[in-house]
Amino acid sequence: NAGVTQTPKFQVLKTGQSMTLQCAQDMNHEYMSWYRQDPGMGLRLIHYSVGAGITDQGEVPNGYNVSRSTTEDFPLRLLSAAPSQTSVYFCASRGQGLSNYGYTFGSGTRLTVV
Amino acid sequence: KNQVEQSPQSLIILEGKNCTLQCNYTVSPFSNLRWYKQDTGRGPVSLTIMTFSENTKSNGRYTATLDADTKQSSLHITASQLSDSASYICVVRPNTGFQKLVFGTGTRLLVSP
Repeated sequence: NAGVTQTPKFQVLKTGQSMTLQCAQDMNHEYMSWYRQDPGMGLRLIHYSVGAGITDQGEVPNGYNVSRSTTEDFPLRLLSAAPSQTSVYFCASRGQGLSNYGYTFGSGTRLTVV
Repeated sequence: KNQVEQSPQSLIILEGKNCTLQCNYTVSPFSNLRWYKQDTGRGPVSLTIMTFSENTKSNGRYTATLDADTKQSSLHITASQLSDSASYICVVRPNTGFQKLVFGTGTRLLVSP
């Protein structure tokens, strides 16, 4: 049981490049989310999904796309990277109900856009 | 606007000492309040979760309290260990708006030997 797995752990992009951050969970969780964490700010929601085939925008969705073709995977795509997207990105998942003590987070992807 | 404010921003304590971290929120109505521990370079890990009707919740040496009337929560760490050095994040889930958790900016704790 690996939990939430994010790849890559580190990435450097040039402005204008595109890339996909991978997220996979093996807990059969319905809910998955992507957050970004910037210095001095709380985690901010980018996109989320309540199940396969269903996604919605969060607080800061511009410049990012997501899809959820399976329960396990929730990739985040940067369409045309900008320096403002330099951040640490976290994927999180949770099942239904409170018994699971909240969200399980991945270990993060540190992205630098130059 | 829904907000979560944490204090202090940072804290240094000696190993073995106790400490208390504070969380004030303006989220209303809220569904539950969570405390997470985030080690450097890692994702947040859940410590406790409390609904609006709960006053206290413990997880080993960590005890969270909640006062829904004053909209305050605290996280008390007993007999601190070097491994407690981390950021502690308070998170409130509103009772409306799916998945729209409100995160505090965290308290960075350093436990010194």
